[in-house]
Amino acid sequence: QVQLQQWGAGLLKPSETLSLTCDVYGGSFSNYYWNWIRQPPGKGLEWIGEISHSGSTNYISSLKSRVTISVDTSKSQFSLKLTSVTAADTAVYYCARGPSILPNNWFDPWGQGTLVTVSS
Amino acid sequence: QSALTQPASVSGSPGQSITISCTGTNSDVGDYNFVSWYQQHPGKAPKLMIYDVSDRPSGVSNRFSGSKSGNTASLTISGLQTEDEADYYCSSYTSSSTRVFGTGTKVTVL
Repeated sequence: QVQLQQWGAGLLKPSETLSLTCDVYGGSFSNYYWNWIRQPPGKGLEWIGEISHSGSTNYISSLKSRVTISVDTSKSQFSLKLTSVTAADTAVYYCARGPSILPNNWFDPWGQGTLVTVSS
Repeated sequence: QSALTQPASVSGSPGQSITISCTGTNSDVGDYNFVSWYQQHPGKAPKLMIYDVSDRPSGVSNRFSGSKSGNTASLTISGLQTEDEADYYCSSYTSSSTRVFGTGTKVTVL
């Protein structure tokens, strides 16, 4: 039973860098794509990007200039960095496992979510 | 990439069937059979309910079914139960190799 446990800072000031990490327990890390998804308070889901175990990445175009997703296969974890945050980046951020082969589209399981608030 | 269009709310009585639509374009829903659906209860992480348009993961009730016609995918919940009250989101693969979610639908059990 794969489980994802995410952690990172929950309160940032404008212009700071958001940094979150997701640890993967109980399953294969190398056979899947790993994703970050966010949800502003009271709003819908937004896919941020993905990374394969080998480090191949893909990002949503609107965030591409500010986002980096990295992977550490030795620790079975992947991370999200989002630079120059503003209040518009306030959201619950989720990590999630994706398919092993692309193209495809599903996310299961998900991490517990981390509320990141950007406020001066 | 614009969000897929879902109705804001759908309601039904216990035991009834409801259908949630998810409308995209020929660059996402219409071009790929990679549509998935998620159930989200308040304060919880989303849960995968349907993948590849109509397949159910192990453990998901067969009261949930999915289909697609053209640029519109649909999720049907039959035999509506009180625990089905939640928000539901569709998602699709896109021609840009990205993913896009729907606007979300709040399901209310009357």
